[in-house]
Amino acid sequence: GESVGLHLPTLSVQEGDNSIINCAYSNSASDYFIWYKQESGKGPQFIIDIRSNMDKRQGQRVTVLLNKTVKHLSLQIAATQPGDSAVYFCAERKEEGGGNKLTFGTGTQLKVEL
Amino acid sequence: DTEVTQTPKHLVMGMTNKKSLKCEQHMGHRAMYWYKQKAKKPPELMFVYSYEKLSINESVPSRFSPECPNSSLLNLHLHALQPEDSALYLCASSTRVDYEQYFGPGTRLTVT
Repeated sequence: GESVGLHLPTLSVQEGDNSIINCAYSNSASDYFIWYKQESGKGPQFIIDIRSNMDKRQGQRVTVLLNKTVKHLSLQIAATQPGDSAVYFCAERKEEGGGNKLTFGTGTQLKVEL
Repeated sequence: DTEVTQTPKHLVMGMTNKKSLKCEQHMGHRAMYWYKQKAKKPPELMFVYSYEKLSINESVPSRFSPECPNSSLLNLHLHALQPEDSALYLCASSTRVDYEQYFGPGTRLTVT
């Protein structure tokens, strides 16, 4: 079946280093992708999104890259800070049943070491 | 107001109880969603409302009954739940169904 998955369940980085979180997707019909951050005890927080007609989008300290050839999505966090510690989910959107459905990947736990 | 609020934060209920979860947003969003999230798992879509009409039901058991009384409010009515229904229930909203979703903090539900 179609799925959205992440390569690594846990990523540990040193404070100040750059972090790269990867996500593989298999639904070529998906036209929109979102990265969410979920801190313990909180709901997912929107970080950045990208549409399928783009291959790169930058935000504040974050960059999302989309490679449609290999169906791969990545989130880069520059100068990682302790506050970046959280679970990161990629999500893909596809049209289904007359509406748009968001499907989340399995998540990556980012741990920032001081 | 740029928040999605959910009440209660925590709920413990027995299998014979009837309870309701409430979600509210005042951002003018016309799409609202219910998700279920188990520990260490991603959110799973349950229901989607678009312009107060149910547009997606992900084959959710009838013991979960959603309601959208107006464009700002979304309820989830619970009846005869099972212990395996214990989870974090998240509400989200978006400008329309094809825009990014903003999540509330969730209701932690425990069924005893």
